[in-house]
Amino acid sequence: QKEVEQNSGPLSVPEGAIASLNCTYSDRGSQSFFWYRQYSGKSPELIMFIYSNGDKEDGRFTAQLNKASQYVSLLIRDSQPSDSATYLCAVNPLQGAQKLVFGQGTRLTINP
Amino acid sequence: DTAVSQTPKYLVTQMGNDKSIKCEQNLGHDTMYWYKQDSKKFLKIMFSYNNKELIINETVPNRFSPKSPDKAHLNLHINSLELGDSAVYFCASSQDLAVPYEQYFGPGTRLTVT
Repeated sequence: QKEVEQNSGPLSVPEGAIASLNCTYSDRGSQSFFWYRQYSGKSPELIMFIYSNGDKEDGRFTAQLNKASQYVSLLIRDSQPSDSATYLCAVNPLQGAQKLVFGQGTRLTINP
Repeated sequence: DTAVSQTPKYLVTQMGNDKSIKCEQNLGHDTMYWYKQDSKKFLKIMFSYNNKELIINETVPNRFSPKSPDKAHLNLHINSLELGDSAVYFCASSQDLAVPYEQYFGPGTRLTVT
């Protein structure tokens, strides 16, 4: 089992709709969780992080964490074509806490 | 001003050669990283340094040798390049070892080994 798993997609969502990206992780002791966005040919950039169970909202983005289910998600409301990118989930595992472990990313396409 | 810079951006070389990639950050961060991203977009940490000290070495072959002359620079030297080394290599930095702080990535170096 991979440490961090994401559906590689592609995920296609119409403009204005809600895009939902999901991630599961294997280390139950994981402490903190991150969503990075990577445009094609560019470097990853951090868009959200979450440490506690529940929801965290930042503009059009909402991160959701459920530690009991070892599940973290990212919702993008009012999706725009500029949101089209690969979204990388990253986890700070309890063991080896000084690093991030990334999932393989989900490629999201927003259709005008 | 570029926060994290890498050179070169592209590197095409033949099997068996030795090459280096340089990374510099002007953010005043203490911690720097090297990541490898393969063709399937899987981003995996290779090394991390904190104030010039090696912290993480993720079972990377000995052909890969990082060097940190000061905390603003982290270079990666690769000996005897193999086809499987072809990937995009990203340098990153963070304020310190407390991972929740944001990691800033450089633009990447696309290495192609023929």
